[in-house]
Amino acid sequence: NAGVMQNPRHLVRRRGQEARLRCSPMKGHSHVYWYRQLPEEGLKFMVYLQKENIIDESGMPKERFSAEFPKEGPSILRIQQVVRGDSAAYFCASSLERDGAYEQYFGPGTRLTVT
Amino acid sequence: AQTVTQSQPEMSVQEAETVTLSCTYDTSESDYYLFWYKQPPSRQMILVIRQEAYKQQNATENRFSVNFQKAAKSFSLKISDSQLGDAAMYFCAYEANSKLTFGKGITLSVRP
Repeated sequence: NAGVMQNPRHLVRRRGQEARLRCSPMKGHSHVYWYRQLPEEGLKFMVYLQKENIIDESGMPKERFSAEFPKEGPSILRIQQVVRGDSAAYFCASSLERDGAYEQYFGPGTRLTVT
Repeated sequence: AQTVTQSQPEMSVQEAETVTLSCTYDTSESDYYLFWYKQPPSRQMILVIRQEAYKQQNATENRFSVNFQKAAKSFSLKISDSQLGDAAMYFCAYEANSKLTFGKGITLSVRP
């Protein structure tokens, strides 16, 4: 059973370009989460999605950021008109409910560098 | 809002010895879960152990165990018989309503 897959692993964008980060959850998992990790910091929650639905986007910046998890295909985190402050590692996690807890399994992350 | 505090930025342990990593949290929820994640230099987040708040018994996973003090809102991780492969960043995390809140992490080094 393959784990959570993210691609690309590294992404370089110039200021003003768009970044698209992809996440394929573990087989059978229908919940996907995106987190951002700045240098020397813990992960910060961005958004929680189920198939075709955004459940909680309380951690998403109000502008330039969007996320989707379509019926078919991977979840996409999209950052429009990137700025240097968007440089970070972006992690995706997926989960099943187990004993009332949503135990989250993480992908390897995408490191975004904005030049 | 929930907060998770890891006040020690770094710790060091001798190989084969025991080390305890501290974590405190703040919440008004009564039903929640607590986790410790390990992040080695590869940056992959690896789930180490979890604790249900409604359980009084402390969770254990092989060499890893927790000391969960619900009234004090404390959740420390004990690593026994430390190995070189345990060197990593360790993050304490709180989960309620499907959302994880992480502490800032602690860097653990293991001396051979």
